[in-house]
Amino acid sequence: SQQGEEDPQALSIQEGENATMNCSYKTSINNLQWYRQNSGRGLVHLILIRSNEREKHSGRLRVTLDTSKKSSSLLITASRAADTASYFCTSYNQGGKLIFGQGTELSVKP
Amino acid sequence: DAMVIQNPRYQVTQFGKPVTLSCSQTLNHNVMYWYQQKSSQAPKLLFHYYDKDFNNEADTPDNFQSRRPNTSFCFLDIRSPGLGDAAMYLCATSRDFGVRNSPLHFGNGTRLTVT
Repeated sequence: SQQGEEDPQALSIQEGENATMNCSYKTSINNLQWYRQNSGRGLVHLILIRSNEREKHSGRLRVTLDTSKKSSSLLITASRAADTASYFCTSYNQGGKLIFGQGTELSVKP
Repeated sequence: DAMVIQNPRYQVTQFGKPVTLSCSQTLNHNVMYWYQQKSSQAPKLLFHYYDKDFNNEADTPDNFQSRRPNTSFCFLDIRSPGLGDAAMYLCATSRDFGVRNSPLHFGNGTRLTVT
């Protein structure tokens, strides 16, 4: 079964605004990963946060992790049209596999 | 640059005509995966190889087979494609399997059309 479920399913914002996507997961994890997929392309690994971390930054990305609520959020600050993509969270399930949810489709309008 | 390369980017095949998709990697990773992704859906894991050990997902149809002749190459064979097999097929690699800090590296996919 999928390990990450993203919310909202679709998000439309204006360039320069911040975009926040949420993720819930089911089982205990050692880390959680976020990926981006541009239309018609493969997935690209964005950031990994370990279970003993609460927040992590990478450029305009900020990821938080709340293991008590089994949830994570991805914040993209000062969004750009090039950030338009689908975003997935995932973690290794008990079988050692990365199973993806349906993702959040982000549209950033110029 | 080390990468995962999928060929071709677009493949058209006829209903029932066998087709093979290929994937190569220069990362020297032990694990290679095949995912199927239909429009606006999550990538669905079909199977993976850990080195030469093949691991099939329980719900992967028998119509889908895979070969990994060496570390660098992995192939996806669809023996008798149906219209429902039209999708994007994504190949991915990871340094190791289930290693907690090991991200996946994806190719750009092959979009398969079945006519």
